[in-house]
Amino acid sequence: GDSVTQMEGPVTLSEEAFLTINCTYTATGYPSLFWYVQYPGEGLQLLLKATKADDKGSNKGFEATYRKETTSFHLEKGSVQVSDSAVYFCALSVNTDKLIFGTGTRLQVFP
Amino acid sequence: DAGVTQSPTHLIKTRGQQVTLRCSPKSGHDTVSWYQQALGQGPQFIFQYYEEEERQRGNFPDRFSGHQFPNYSSELNVNALLLGDSALYLCASSLGGYQPQHFGDGTRLSIL
Repeated sequence: GDSVTQMEGPVTLSEEAFLTINCTYTATGYPSLFWYVQYPGEGLQLLLKATKADDKGSNKGFEATYRKETTSFHLEKGSVQVSDSAVYFCALSVNTDKLIFGTGTRLQVFP
Repeated sequence: DAGVTQSPTHLIKTRGQQVTLRCSPKSGHDTVSWYQQALGQGPQFIFQYYEEEERQRGNFPDRFSGHQFPNYSSELNVNALLLGDSALYLCASSLGGYQPQHFGDGTRLSIL
């Protein structure tokens, strides 16, 4: 079945460091891909999305490129801030708006 | 513009009891989905309601049921609660079943 695999956390970085969170997927069709962020005590917020191969989603300095050949959608940011500390979820949907999520990666950024 | 609102915020129940969680979708949205997020895990899809009908269902037992009202708000009902039902329950809404979905802050359900 369709699934998403994320790198395990926590990812611990100093402020202004470069961030990469890996995400790979398995899908029977042509999925849309998403990154959601969850701050403590809150629900999920859509961070960025890509709907077809080679699309790049971007928002708030975060980027991810839909790579069909490697079935990946890695999240990157050039310079993280303390306020970026949260749990990040990679997700996919295929032909519906039902979302299939990875297990999440906790990011901790220290001053 | 109100976003997705869920009530209550927290709930404590004992095994065997029944619970009802409520969700009001974002203004203009007509589709509501429910997800269960266990501690340290990603959300798992329970079901989706559109036009007052269950349109999709995930791999959850019949103890989990729902309803959507004419104003698009929705309820999630869980019967015969088990310890394993302890989780954050998230409601998400969208327009016509298209992305993106907007999530509420969730209801934290604890089973004793």
